[in-house]
Amino acid sequence: GQNIDQPTEMTATEGAIVQINCTYQTSGFNGLFWYQQHAGEAPTFLSYNVLDGLEEKGRFSSFLSRSKGYSYLLLKELQMKDSASYLCAVRSDRGSTLGRLYFGRGTQLTVWP
Amino acid sequence: DGGITQSPKYLFRKEGQNVTLSCEQNLNHDAMYWYRQDPGQGLRLIYYSQIVNDFQKGDIAEGYSVSREKKESFPLTVTSAQKNPTAFYLCASCSAKNIQYFGAGTRLSVL
Repeated sequence: GQNIDQPTEMTATEGAIVQINCTYQTSGFNGLFWYQQHAGEAPTFLSYNVLDGLEEKGRFSSFLSRSKGYSYLLLKELQMKDSASYLCAVRSDRGSTLGRLYFGRGTQLTVWP
Repeated sequence: DGGITQSPKYLFRKEGQNVTLSCEQNLNHDAMYWYRQDPGQGLRLIYYSQIVNDFQKGDIAEGYSVSREKKESFPLTVTSAQKNPTAFYLCASCSAKNIQYFGAGTRLSVL
């Protein structure tokens, strides 16, 4: 089966840096995704890692270590609008699960002024 | 504009009634997905379709049905067999780069 773990809640202050961790156990791994979801809205795509290493995109960066089953999302220069739930998802491409994403429960980030 | 359109935004179901949620995309994506989200929960997969006229059950397919007669459309029917249908329903489609993009969602409540 698939098992994806991320912290339930995190808090940080405006202008700070926060790291949201995600660990996973999956078969047929073919990529790890991060999504941002504001309350009452749909998730929006943030980043995608399929190889080990760091992917940087503006204030957001995502890291992957396939051997450790570990990823993190790094948010720099936090702004109030970054308060949202951050979803970690793993793609499995094994047999009948081809193309599926498995989602963690999300990390609710609250940014304080 | 290209995107994924879900309708309606809010839907109310009476006891014993079937309701259908619409999902249309004009992104020319082959694969489409339906998820259910409950408060404090992650997204759970109901059904997915990788190609027209084919679909597979996800983790919580009981009480739901789908069809995929056209590439652009993947409607979800919540049947009366689904005893706890109140949730936020999200439709997604998948690009050639394996990225899933979501519609705005339909919030279903029971009267």
